[in-house]
Parts: sequence; C-alpha cells; structure tokens
Amino acid sequence: DQQVKQNSPSLSVQEGRISILNCDYTNSMFDYFLWYKKYPAEGPTFLISISSIKDKNEDGRFTVFLNKSAKHLSLHIVPSQPGDSAVYFCAASAMGGSYIPTFGRGTSLIVHP
Amino acid sequence: SQTIHQWPATLVQPVGSPLSLECTVEGTSNPNLYWYRQAAGRGLQLLFYSVGIGQISSEVPQNLSASRPQDRQFILSSKKLLLSDSGFYLCAWSSGLNQPQHFGDGTRLSIL
Repeated sequence: DQQVKQNSPSLSVQEGRISILNCDYTNSMFDYFLWYKKYPAEGPTFLISISSIKDKNEDGRFTVFLNKSAKHLSLHIVPSQPGDSAVYFCAASAMGGSYIPTFGRGTSLIVHP
Repeated sequence: SQTIHQWPATLVQPVGSPLSLECTVEGTSNPNLYWYRQAAGRGLQLLFYSVGIGQISSEVPQNLSASRPQDRQFILSSKKLLLSDSGFYLCAWSSGLNQPQHFGDGTRLSIL
C-alpha cells in the first residue's frame, strides 16, 4: 500500500514556464514533507521541505504548497530551466514513524529549451 | 563540510555470491545512517537505518544485513545474493531523525 503517491511518472515543460509536480499521501499522521531531486547515476539531493504547521514554503524558484485537508502537496518551479530536468521525489514522515521518510516513486521532469 | 562516500559505483555479481557495500560519512559525528534500494521504476525503499554504533533497525525482511562498526561507517552485506537483489543501492545520512537526508551517489548492483 503506497502511502505517498506521485501519480504522474513524467512531465514535460517548456523552458521559462511553470513546472508543477504533485504528490498525494494517505497517512494523516504525516507532518513533515520533503522534495528531492535526482539526476541519473547520482543520489537524490534535498530540495525543499515543509512542516504541517505551514501551507507554503518558498526557496528561490521553488515553492512547496501543502493542502492538509486534501492530503496533497505540490512543488512549483518558476521559471523552469533545462537544468531542472531530473526525477523529483516526494517524501513524507511522521513523529510516530520515528520520522523515517516514506518516498513516492518519483516524477521525471523534462524541461525543453 | 559533510561528505558521504559510497563504493563501488557499479558491481556485477553472480547469483549466490556474497556482497559488501561500504558507506562512510565525513565532517559530522553521530549521524543517522540509512540504506535504501531503488528497483527499476520504483521509489526508494528503506532497507536499514541506524541511530548509533551497533544499532541497526531493519524495515523489510530480506536477504540482506547491515552493520555499523564505527560511528561514520555503514556496511550493507549479503551472504548469498539473489537475482531479486539487483537494483540501485543508496546510502544516506542525516543529523537527526527529523532532518533532511543527504545521499551518496549510489551503487548499481547487477546480479547475473
């Protein structure tokens, strides 16, 4: 049973436009959410996180939105750049789970020049 | 600054052979350490984590084991590899259980 779901395996966006990556979760105990970026043949790199006490966190071109009632979070990248092309993983954790994150299966983002 | 080293980058092993993957972290002390596996088309599956020397928690029953002989060293082992052990193995560390994890570059393991 997948507790963290990224239903879009891939996303294609034009350079300069907005990329929106979505993530849904089923465990209402999750209270900390993270996004990671992964290039081929490399390990994931931490990108941005959000605590459940917030509904938005922004870091440069990256913004994460959290909708707790819908158990949904999204990562917005504006403007998208070709270097953003990578696989993006959503992860969620809970104090009851010792804060060990559960990862989604990832969304492959391709940004076209 | 903190760095994490994981080796080898790629490994091809026959079925039934043993395995030892090593991971070391530099620039921090008493890190939490993790082993993940990413199978083709799948997400990251947590295999083991450790909050201290000699302390290992296993998340899934499997053919693998982990050990932490030193504070910043984490080893993934198997006595006899199975075909299903193929995948991309990632080591990670964090400064605490509710902190972002920092990953190594992974080991691509192919079992023949």
